[in-house]
Amino acid sequence: AQSVSQHNHHVILSEAASLELGCNYSYGGTVNLFWYVQYPGQHLQLLLKYFSGDPLVKGIKGFEAEFIKSKFSFNLRKPSVQWSDTAEYFCAGRDTGGFKTIFGAGTRLFVKA
Amino acid sequence: EAQVTQNPRYLITVTGKKLTVTCSQNMNHEYMSWYRQDPGLGLRQIYYSMNVEVTDKGDVPEGYKVSRKEKRNFPLILESPSPNQTSLYFCASSLFGTANNQPQHFGDGTRLSIL
Repeated sequence: AQSVSQHNHHVILSEAASLELGCNYSYGGTVNLFWYVQYPGQHLQLLLKYFSGDPLVKGIKGFEAEFIKSKFSFNLRKPSVQWSDTAEYFCAGRDTGGFKTIFGAGTRLFVKA
Repeated sequence: EAQVTQNPRYLITVTGKKLTVTCSQNMNHEYMSWYRQDPGLGLRQIYYSMNVEVTDKGDVPEGYKVSRKEKRNFPLILESPSPNQTSLYFCASSLFGTANNQPQHFGDGTRLSIL
């Protein structure tokens, strides 16, 4: 069955620390992968996406993610977090041949000033 | 301004009283979808629509109905709401695109409480 799993449900970091949020997917075929961010009280916004080509994808606000096919992973990274990065982060996958989108359970990041 | 608009933003109602949450997008997107967000479960897809008059079930369709009579609108209908449908609901839309690689644009959410 198709699935997207995020390993960490809650992460607490100090400003300037490096961030890596895990995401693993399970799909039978080719998959498009997305990271979305939800700031407190707001709707989800796209951070970055991967569908083909360079497996290292750069997104907005200094975020990047690496697609590692052999590990079925699409981890989100940022070298130095800021207080304003406090939010919930969702990994999502969509089969290239289908129409359903599957989201991970989300990771709540809290950055201490 | 490109946006997905949901109404109402907040609703408290009682079991069994039919309700409709509206969703409208102004980006001429073919694909629209409804999700519910529950703590620890992330977003789960309720229904989606690939275009006018074309809809299909997501992972948690029980207790919900949708319709897509116009491209811009995709209402979510709860014919007989129950307390387990208390949740935060998001509507989203995207271009259909090739290989389903288009990101979704989300509305601001509707917080439903069913007593």
